[in-house]
Amino acid sequence: DAKTTQPNSMESNEEEPVHLPCNHSTISGTDYIHWYRQLPSQGPEYVIHGLTSNVNNRMASLAIAEDRKSSTLILHRATLRDAAVYYCIRTGGGSNYKLTFGKGTLLTVNP
Amino acid sequence: DSGVTQTPKHLITATGQRVTLRCSPRSGDLSVYWYQQSLDQGLQFLIQYYNGEERAKGNILERFSAQQFPDLHSELNLSSLELGDSALYFCASSPAGGNSGANVLTFGAGSRLTVL
Repeated sequence: DAKTTQPNSMESNEEEPVHLPCNHSTISGTDYIHWYRQLPSQGPEYVIHGLTSNVNNRMASLAIAEDRKSSTLILHRATLRDAAVYYCIRTGGGSNYKLTFGKGTLLTVNP
Repeated sequence: DSGVTQTPKHLITATGQRVTLRCSPRSGDLSVYWYQQSLDQGLQFLIQYYNGEERAKGNILERFSAQQFPDLHSELNLSSLELGDSALYFCASSPAGGNSGANVLTFGAGSRLTVL
């Protein structure tokens, strides 16, 4: 049970922004939201994570809703190399910590 | 190169056999995680070790076992192999034990196991 809901697939054009949504309506107050992606034939790769505030790094931005029940991963300018499966994961701490991957969103980037 | 090294990259073996997959974590990381990825099950968490001790267990079969050595590398042993064990096996590492939800994992490139 990944406890997040994502669209199965999305499509984007190269050099355009991409907004990948994630629903986590049962999130608890101490759960973080993580995003990982998996390029074809590679291991998962960390993208970004956050708790309450919006976060930016060199790869992407993470916008977290005020009620924390949803979030959006933003790729500002998609490239062909961004084509991957994107996983939205909520993680707690303590002895039950582990990343539970769902099916993710398959992002296709058109040239 | 993520810094997490997995060997072998590819392995083909027969049913009933036993194999060992090896993982060297990123320098400085104390935790090692094992995941299995098959076409029908997606990425499944198997087990986590922190500084040599088992920290968390997931959907790991009794035929599978793992350990983390004093130099922090880890091995996943798969025995009495069945056709359904064919999958990609990923190792990941992190600096901490995973007590914080902010813990970030770095994954290796995986070991592809084919059981014939």
